[in-house]
Amino acid sequence: GAGVSQSPSNKVTEKGKDVELRCDPISGHTALYWYRQSLGQGLEFLIYFQGNSAPDKSGLPSDRFSAERTGGSVSTLTIQRTQQEDSAVYLCASSPRPYQGYNEQFFGPGTRLTVL
Amino acid sequence: AQRVTQPEKLLSVFKGAPVELKCNYSYSGSPELFWYVQYSRQRLQLLLRHISRESIKGFTADLNKGETSFHLKKPFAQEEDSAMYYCALYTGGFKTIFGAGTRLFVKA
Repeated sequence: GAGVSQSPSNKVTEKGKDVELRCDPISGHTALYWYRQSLGQGLEFLIYFQGNSAPDKSGLPSDRFSAERTGGSVSTLTIQRTQQEDSAVYLCASSPRPYQGYNEQFFGPGTRLTVL
Repeated sequence: AQRVTQPEKLLSVFKGAPVELKCNYSYSGSPELFWYVQYSRQRLQLLLRHISRESIKGFTADLNKGETSFHLKKPFAQEEDSAMYYCALYTGGFKTIFGAGTRLFVKA
């Protein structure tokens, strides 16, 4: 029914703590993407999944970041030992199979992470 | 290298003035280009795609392969056009490369 959903919508944590961000894609969408949106930095690609595998993890900024996707559906982005520079809005998107050279991504509302 | 460049982080125009948001790309294949928009407190969403040659909310974008550009234009800006705009290059499969974005402010 609804579009991509993300939880929590807001997360405030203390430096050094671990956080988990969740994304529920549109049912049936094959691909799932994570991006980070920082003030003044635009949209930063982190990782994408095709099914449950991640062909491209090139955007993960450090080994403190990891993500998994299970059952070809829900995905979790985990940030360990959070730092203040991790503060940003984390966006999730999903997309169906490409069709006629076209692949639209559908975005969730984002999780605003604040690391104190 | 595959790359999308939006040279302006911020663009400010007066209501009723023409607006052009610049986008240049680098891609060796046949490009498929898009503009996405994020209005305040709304989700990032697709605005238009070059292949459909459509005008959405008065915006158009023409692909210029010679100049490797895909600038977004509107002849008369409205206050409700104020938003963050991202140019995007589809490179095949499931991969899309986004530019850094341009924030448009339309002043009354």
